Amino acid sequence: NAGVMQNPRHLVRRRGQEARLRCSPMKGHSHVYWYRQLPEEGLKFMVYLQKENIIDESGMPKERFSAEFPKEGPSILRIQQVVRGDSAAYFCASSLGAQKQETQYFGPGTRLLVL
Amino acid sequence: GDSVTQMEGPVTLSEEAFLTINCTYTATGYPSLFWYVQYPGEGLQLLLKATKADDKGSNKGFEATYRKETTSFHLEKGSVQVSDSAVYFCALTPSGTGKLIFGQGTTLQVKP
Repeated sequence: NAGVMQNPRHLVRRRGQEARLRCSPMKGHSHVYWYRQLPEEGLKFMVYLQKENIIDESGMPKERFSAEFPKEGPSILRIQQVVRGDSAAYFCASSLGAQKQETQYFGPGTRLLVL
Repeated sequence: GDSVTQMEGPVTLSEEAFLTINCTYTATGYPSLFWYVQYPGEGLQLLLKATKADDKGSNKGFEATYRKETTSFHLEKGSVQVSDSAVYFCALTPSGTGKLIFGQGTTLQVKP
C-alpha cells in the first residue's frame, strides 16, 4: 500500500514564476491537508480539502496561493508569482476521515527554493 | 487560539540515557494529542497518539500520557539510541476539526 506521494521533491523557481506542487493521498483516503514548514520552524496548517471541495483554508495566504483536489488526479497547491519568502518545505498529509482522532499520514514533502 | 509549546532544543544525550521532551498545550474542548518524528530530509511519521484524558500512547519504546489537569503530553523513552536522533513534534487536533496544530519541534541528538 503506497504512502502519500508528493512531487516534485525539490523545486527551484525564480521570483515571479509559478510553482505547482502535487500530492497523491494514500489509497482510500479522501481527506488532504497541506502544511508549510519554514526554515527552523514547525509546520503550519494551510488548507484542508476533500474531493472537489475546500473545507478549511484558514491558513492560506490571501493572495497568490490556491489549492484544489479534483475528482480525478492529485491535489495541487499552486503558488503564483513566487517570492523569496515562499521558500519552504511543503508537506501534504492524508487521512481516512476528518475526526480529531484520525491519524494523518505525511508525504516526503516538496522543498521549494525561490531564487 | 489553540496552541502547542515544546521545550527548546537541541537536546543532546548519550546513548542509553533517559529522554524527556516536554509538551504543553492550550485548547478548548477535548483535543487529540500526537507526537510526530521527522528524520533529516524526510516527511513526518506518527510516533504515538492519545485521544482522551489519561490515555497513554506508546510505540518503539516511546511513551506519552495525556494529562488534562496539567495540559501536558510529555514524551519519554527509557534508553535512547543513536538512531533516535531526529526532530520531534508535539501536535494537537482541536475538537471539531481535523487540522493539526504543531509545536515548534525539538531536535534530539544522541551520541554514541
